[in-house]
Amino acid sequence: AQSVTQPDIHITVSEGASLELRCNYSYGATPYLFWYVQSPGQGLQLLLKYFSGDTLVQGIKGFEAEFKRSQSSFNLRKPSVHWSDAAEYFCAGPYGGATNKLIFGTGTLLAVQP
Amino acid sequence: NAGVTQTPKFQVLKTGQSMTLQCAQDMNHNSMYWYRQDPGMGLRLIYYSASEGTTDKGEVPNGYNVSRLNKREFSLRLESAAPSQTSVYFCASRRQTHYGYTFGSGTRLTVV
Repeated sequence: AQSVTQPDIHITVSEGASLELRCNYSYGATPYLFWYVQSPGQGLQLLLKYFSGDTLVQGIKGFEAEFKRSQSSFNLRKPSVHWSDAAEYFCAGPYGGATNKLIFGTGTLLAVQP
Repeated sequence: NAGVTQTPKFQVLKTGQSMTLQCAQDMNHNSMYWYRQDPGMGLRLIYYSASEGTTDKGEVPNGYNVSRLNKREFSLRLESAAPSQTSVYFCASRRQTHYGYTFGSGTRLTVV
């Protein structure tokens, strides 16, 4: 079944360190993929999306993600994490291959230590 | 600049009670969605409306009904609430395919 997988449930990084959150997808065709962030008690905010073209996409808040077809991955990166980046991050892609709805990964909870 | 507005923000129901969660968007988006969020399970699609006048089931539709009242509004109804429906419910909308969703701030529902 087509799906989106986030293998890391919880990650802790030190403030100022680099960050990479993993997302794997399984689709036959080139998917369009998204990363969302959720702060505690809030809704989800779109960080970035990949549709086609350049495989390295830039998003808000200094985040970027790279689409790698050979690895079926769309990992989220940030070169230097700030304490305010502590949140839960969700990867999302087409639901069952359909273009009109999304399936979300189970999320990665990021903790930032001083 | 309201975006997607959900009401209420919090609700406690007794088992067997009914209620309707309201969602409205002011962005002239075509598609609207209801998801539930449970710990360790991410967001699961309950129902969606690809366009005004259409609704379809998602991954977990049992125990829920929806109404796309007009282009702006998409409500979710629990006819007979069960403790398993305790969750945080999110409404989202999207202009068209390949655009990201805009989410509401959620409704935290507890069924006792």
